[in-house]
Amino acid sequence: EDKVVQSPLSLVVHEGDTVTLNCSYEVTNFRSLLWYKQEKKAPTFLFMLTSSGIEKKSGRLSSILDKKELFSILNITATQTGDSAIYLCAVPPRYGNKLVFGAGTILRVKS
Amino acid sequence: DTAVSQTPKYLVTQMGNDKSIKCEQNLGHDTMYWYKQDSKKFLKIMFSYNNKELIINETVPNRFSPKSPDKAHLNLHINSLELGDSAVYFCASSHYGAYGELFFGEGSRLTVL
Repeated sequence: EDKVVQSPLSLVVHEGDTVTLNCSYEVTNFRSLLWYKQEKKAPTFLFMLTSSGIEKKSGRLSSILDKKELFSILNITATQTGDSAIYLCAVPPRYGNKLVFGAGTILRVKS
Repeated sequence: DTAVSQTPKYLVTQMGNDKSIKCEQNLGHDTMYWYKQDSKKFLKIMFSYNNKELIINETVPNRFSPKSPDKAHLNLHINSLELGDSAVYFCASSHYGAYGELFFGEGSRLTVL
């Protein structure tokens, strides 16, 4: 069965710290891995990593994919209170047009 | 312009009642989904429709019945509500076969008393 495991489950840091969120996956026929950020309401898309795009960066956020070891990390540098959210990792399974989500990492950035 | 909109945003009801949640998307996508997010924030697929046809039906009690009148709309009707149905229900849409980004609505928080 396709599986996504995220760690840590929750994290509290101070503004300015750098954080690394982890996502490991087991899926037959890997196609992509996605990161979402969920603040109070809807999850919003951050990055999609594929075999042809294993590293993505947007401002203070960056993500890499290790297809051999079956994991991805999401890095946030110089964290701000606005980074406080749940970060979700997801993969599409071999069959079916859907995403399988991990349980998420709850990040809290204290000022 | 809201891309994926759900109504109502909040629902509080008694056990045993029936309720519906509506979803509409204006992104021109052909695939829509219902996801359930429980109190531990775990997002799990319930249903998916592609061009009004049901393509994914996970292990969901048959008290839950989705309906898609057209590819821009996907509604969810829940009969005989139970305490365990309390959750946030998210509608989402995408292009079929994209294996990528889903666009989510803001969620409908259902509380069953």
